[in-house]
Amino acid sequence: TQLLEQSPQFLSIQEGENLTVYCNSSSVFSSLQWYRQEPGEGPVLLVTVVTGGEVKKLKRLTFQFGDARKDSSLHITAAQPGDTGLYLCAGARTSGTYKYIFGTGTRLKVLA
Amino acid sequence: DARVTQTPRDKVTEMGQEVTMRCQPILGHNTVFWYRQTMMQGLELLAYFRNRAPLDDSGMPKDRFSAEMPDATLATLKIQPSEPRDSAVYFCASGLEGTYYGYTFGSGTRLTVV
Repeated sequence: TQLLEQSPQFLSIQEGENLTVYCNSSSVFSSLQWYRQEPGEGPVLLVTVVTGGEVKKLKRLTFQFGDARKDSSLHITAAQPGDTGLYLCAGARTSGTYKYIFGTGTRLKVLA
Repeated sequence: DARVTQTPRDKVTEMGQEVTMRCQPILGHNTVFWYRQTMMQGLELLAYFRNRAPLDDSGMPKDRFSAEMPDATLATLKIQPSEPRDSAVYFCASGLEGTYYGYTFGSGTRLTVV
């Protein structure tokens, strides 16, 4: 059973378009992280959200943690080819634990 | 930039052989994780160490997999005997518990068992 489901699984868009990736669960998480992974490399942390309803911005990326801390979204404005990669969410179910379970991933391709 | 170093980068071995993967975590990090990534299953947590003590290895097939931290600068993941279904990319990650800085992942070991 996958605790964290991401949608869509695959996304191919043109440069300049906006997109939103979703991370959903029936479980409550004490904190949630988003990573980006490029081919041949390990995931790289983008952001951590810990408070229900929290919104964080990282340049053209906006991350939101759901009010009930069961879901999260990642919105990219004016996507660029450099945004291409596998986007992963990861949640920790217990406060104080550092054990994160990863979602199924969204593979994004931005075409020039 | 501090980084997690994993060796070897690629490993091809025959079924039944022993495989050892090594990881040098970032100096000062007190947690180390081993993950396995496949197209079908995504990233699966295999083992989790805090201050070199194993906290959770419930994701690991115990009959053939073992994970250890002989010292603070080295973590190992061993498979004996290896099977074709073990083919995957194995990642080590380290972090500092009590912060939300997240994990730093290594570049992985791509294991192919033929």
